[in-house]
Amino acid sequence: ELKVEQNPLFLSMQEGKNYTIYCNYSTTSDRLYWYRQDPGKSLESLFVLLSNGAVKQEGRLMASLDTKARLSTLHITAAVHDLSATYFCAPRPETSGSRLTFGEGTQLTVNP
Amino acid sequence: NAGVTQTPKFRVLKTGQSMTLLCAQDMNHEYMYWYRQDPGMGLRLIHYSVGEGTTAKGEVPDGYNVSRLKKQNFLLGLESAAPSQTSVYFCASSFFGTFYEQYFGPGTRLTVT
Repeated sequence: ELKVEQNPLFLSMQEGKNYTIYCNYSTTSDRLYWYRQDPGKSLESLFVLLSNGAVKQEGRLMASLDTKARLSTLHITAAVHDLSATYFCAPRPETSGSRLTFGEGTQLTVNP
Repeated sequence: NAGVTQTPKFRVLKTGQSMTLLCAQDMNHEYMYWYRQDPGMGLRLIHYSVGEGTTAKGEVPDGYNVSRLKKQNFLLGLESAAPSQTSVYFCASSFFGTFYEQYFGPGTRLTVT
């Protein structure tokens, strides 16, 4: 059974600062997804990382995947208040078909 | 396209009552999923379906049943609601064409008293 660990679980940062959220998982996975959730809202897809070494960037967010280390990172550059949300990583276990396993989420607060 | 829709958005049940949550998608996706979200626990998969007429158990299936009689609809049933089933329920769908990226509905907030 795949276990997913995100850290930190809570992150409070100032606008303009950089930070990285880490997603570690316990068994083999060939792809990984990042989602964003605003309070009281649904989940919105951010990135789909399909192979080892994959890197995707959108605005101030950049995600990467290292399948050998079983690690994905979500890097935030020059944070702004609009990035305040909860971020989930979800690796796909290789034998799971279409199912994903979600981490607990990282609650990010960006303070003006 | 409406994407993934869920009915109802909110519901309050008494212990022992039953209800059905409806999920509908208009994207012609093969795969559909029901999750529950509880504080500090991320999303946990309840049941899923890989196509019309199929269902399978996820991580936390006890106390729930599902049906997928039509490709576009996935129903989640609670036969005898318990307070432990108080949660936010999300439906999602996916297909191989977008690498199984899951698209989520708006959620149903269920309270069982």
